[in-house]
Amino acid sequence: SAVISQKPSRDICQRGTSLTIQCQVDSQVTMMFWYRQQPGQSLTLIATANQGSEATYESGFVIDKFPISRPNLTFSTLTVSNMSPEDSSIYLCSVGGSSVGQYFGPGTRLTVT
Amino acid sequence: QKEVEQNSGPLSVPEGAIASLNCTYSDRGSQSFFWYRQYSGKSPELIMFIYSNGDKEDGRFTAQLNKASQYVSLLIRDSQPSDSATYLCAVNTGTGTASKLTFGTGTRLQVTL
Repeated sequence: SAVISQKPSRDICQRGTSLTIQCQVDSQVTMMFWYRQQPGQSLTLIATANQGSEATYESGFVIDKFPISRPNLTFSTLTVSNMSPEDSSIYLCSVGGSSVGQYFGPGTRLTVT
Repeated sequence: QKEVEQNSGPLSVPEGAIASLNCTYSDRGSQSFFWYRQYSGKSPELIMFIYSNGDKEDGRFTAQLNKASQYVSLLIRDSQPSDSATYLCAVNTGTGTASKLTFGTGTRLQVTL
């Protein structure tokens, strides 16, 4: 399986600011996924990012709040914009597919104060 | 009705016993089923996948699938304290470009000495 890294591993941010999370994979992959895991909850898909096309967002998530970039086949970023305490969560990127399974990065633990 | 349902637990089993984790899903078109293990503070790790009705064994783990009953389970034989974690069931839902992994809320397993 691919080796996935994320930066930062954790951050504490003030409300109203933005944070960009980076996801780097050690091999070229077609699809990358961004998830949110709120405290004590399961994983919720935010969006799917394919290289060369606009990200596809799930219901309840919008591009203005969670802009995503996918400049090449090994890298993606997720920005959490205009943060509020409700955005405090773990953000995870993954690679793979919905029919073959996905492999997750270590996650970014975000706290918004 | 939630798309993927799991008992949140905790499920407590003594060391050496068999742990049985269960999951039901609502999308009859689902074809791929996954079990993830998530240790506290860590990201999910893919441990098993199953596509066909019946059993699939890998070491101490056995995944069981019954598509007619929309039921998938994970058996862990000879449970060890290191198996204590939250186990997430994931199911592929939707088709084509709308296909995605949907996760259950997870079952917390505690293996006691």
